[in-house]
Amino acid sequence: EAGVAQSPRYKIIEKRQSVAFWCNPISGHATLYWYQQILGQGPKLLIQFQNNGVVDDSQLPKDRFSAERLKGVDSTLKIQPAKLEDSAVYLCASSLSPEQYFGPGTRLTVT
Amino acid sequence: AQSVTQLDSQVPVFEEAPVELRCNYSSSVSVYLFWYVQYPNQGLQLLLKYLSGSTLVKGINGFEAEFNKSQTSFHLRKPSVHISDTAEYFCAVSAGDYKLSFGAGTTVTVRA
Repeated sequence: EAGVAQSPRYKIIEKRQSVAFWCNPISGHATLYWYQQILGQGPKLLIQFQNNGVVDDSQLPKDRFSAERLKGVDSTLKIQPAKLEDSAVYLCASSLSPEQYFGPGTRLTVT
Repeated sequence: AQSVTQLDSQVPVFEEAPVELRCNYSSSVSVYLFWYVQYPNQGLQLLLKYLSGSTLVKGINGFEAEFNKSQTSFHLRKPSVHISDTAEYFCAVSAGDYKLSFGAGTTVTVRA
């Protein structure tokens, strides 16, 4: 069974630029999550999708972050414009049950 | 809402020695508990989980954890560590909505 795929693995941008991350969950997993992991901290949930609907985006900074999950499969997380404090690893996870499966993450550096 | 406290930020340990990583949680409802491991530049890998039933849970790579409801704890143990166990370990909790709340992590460094 293929795991959660994410791309790119690494991205370096300047502040005020925009960036997008892509996630392909495990086949059949209805629930998809995006997390932000700042260096030295545990992951923090940004947004949760159930199929292609948003369940919880209360922690998503909506003035600069957006996310979508078209057709209930792949998902894209976008940051526009980026700030220095957005430097972090962005993790995607999917699940059918309480257990979540994580992708390798995208390490974003904002200079 | 649920929260997790990992009581040790760093744990140095010698190879073949035992290790215990401490985790306490806070919740007003029944919870699911997890331990994840993160190797450098990788995502999170599930070590073990407590959903219900036996309070002693065995996971991959020789790890085990015990759920203690009265002390709201879920400590992780391994009787004999290897160099390859050097990693970051995260305790996490969720409730009926399945959203995970993570602790700050414990860095385990295994020395020869």
